[in-house]
Amino acid sequence: DTAVSQTPKYLVTQMGNDKSIKCEQNLGHDTMYWYKQDSKKFLKIMFSYNNKELIINETVPNRFSPKSPDKAHLNLHINSLELGDSAVYFCASSIIRGRNEQFFGPGTRLTVL
Amino acid sequence: AQSVAQPEDQVNVAEGNPLTVKCTYSVSGNPYLFWYVQYPNRGLQFLLKYITGDNLVKGSYGFEAEFNKSQTSFHLKKPSALVSDSALYFCAVRGNNDMRFGAGTRLTVKP
Repeated sequence: DTAVSQTPKYLVTQMGNDKSIKCEQNLGHDTMYWYKQDSKKFLKIMFSYNNKELIINETVPNRFSPKSPDKAHLNLHINSLELGDSAVYFCASSIIRGRNEQFFGPGTRLTVL
Repeated sequence: AQSVAQPEDQVNVAEGNPLTVKCTYSVSGNPYLFWYVQYPNRGLQFLLKYITGDNLVKGSYGFEAEFNKSQTSFHLKKPSALVSDSALYFCAVRGNNDMRFGAGTRLTVKP
């Protein structure tokens, strides 16, 4: 059984388009995250949701909007895609914030042409 | 503010030799420290963590890490490296805010 799943695995699109990435976890965790990993493998947190409430909004452009319909899902919607948005996006979840490790999804490789 | 540094971009070791991947951190409050591994085209996998207690923590796949408060370090170690250990390793720290990851260290184990 997949603990944290993301769809799609690959996403290729044109500049200016709007796209969404979906994430689901079946671990019963309360907190979910979105990370961006750039071409140099640097990992940066973008958002964190705890029981459907946004608790982190790092300095990402407002073109990025997380949406959590329930605590098992955290989707990422991106408007007006730019070349610099090309990266691998990882969803993760944990029991609660704090001392607990995070479980990561397999990633979505976004390529903006 | 919290941060973590991995001073080596690349570590090369021969199979069967011990390996060390270095990590230092800066955090206000008690640190929660983690190591993750990333294989090509995969998500990060949790290896081990230090929360409190014994400074030497043991994790998955024979890895261990030693917490050193005076040196603010949390180096990852393994007594005998395997070729299959070749991957990207991330150290992470959690203080009062959310988790911060280091830049990663690419470990290559040669036969």
